[in-house]
Amino acid sequence: AQSVAQPEDQVNVAEGNPLTVKCTYSVSGNPYLFWYVQYPNRGLQFLLKYITGDNLVKGSYGFEAEFNKSQTSFHLKKPSALVSDSALYFCAVRDFDTGGFKTIFGAGTRLFVKA
Amino acid sequence: SQTIHQWPATLVQPVGSPLSLECTVEGTSNPNLYWYRQAAGRGLQLLFYSVGIGQISSEVPQNLSASRPQDRQFILSSKKLLLSDSGFYLCACTGTGGTLNTEAFFGQGTRLTVV
Repeated sequence: AQSVAQPEDQVNVAEGNPLTVKCTYSVSGNPYLFWYVQYPNRGLQFLLKYITGDNLVKGSYGFEAEFNKSQTSFHLKKPSALVSDSALYFCAVRDFDTGGFKTIFGAGTRLFVKA
Repeated sequence: SQTIHQWPATLVQPVGSPLSLECTVEGTSNPNLYWYRQAAGRGLQLLFYSVGIGQISSEVPQNLSASRPQDRQFILSSKKLLLSDSGFYLCACTGTGGTLNTEAFFGQGTRLTVV
């Protein structure tokens, strides 16, 4: 079965420092991986995705993620965190076990950036 | 790109009352449509998804139902609300049926409180 795990409930980082939000996945074939961000009382917003190609994917708001097949990871990174990056982040994988129509979301990681 | 319109933003309903949440999509045709519920600001639970008009797949047995009367309209309903139906409901869409590498677009959500 396809699955995605976010091992950290919360990540704390100081403004200006680099940030990493971790994600690992388990799929039976080639993974289609996504990162989304959610601000309070809002819907999720798409940040970036890996489908194929370069392992380093760049996305919105200065975020990037590195696909690592050997470690089955897709960690979200940003070189310099902003207070406004504080939000809930979701890693997700397309569920091909059920035809690809569904997306499996991780439990979410809350990022706090302190000024 | 797609735009999801979801309303109302907040709703307070008494136990036993009916529910109707509506979601409409702009900017695409024949989208896959989804209803999620998010409890306590964390993980997403997929409730229903639809790959076409009149086609509804239910993920979990519950007090809710969904309908898709038009290509870009998705409705979440209940005949009698329970306290446990409280939560943050999100409508989402992905690209047309065979485009499995597309990201999901989310509405702004409806916060339902059953009292």
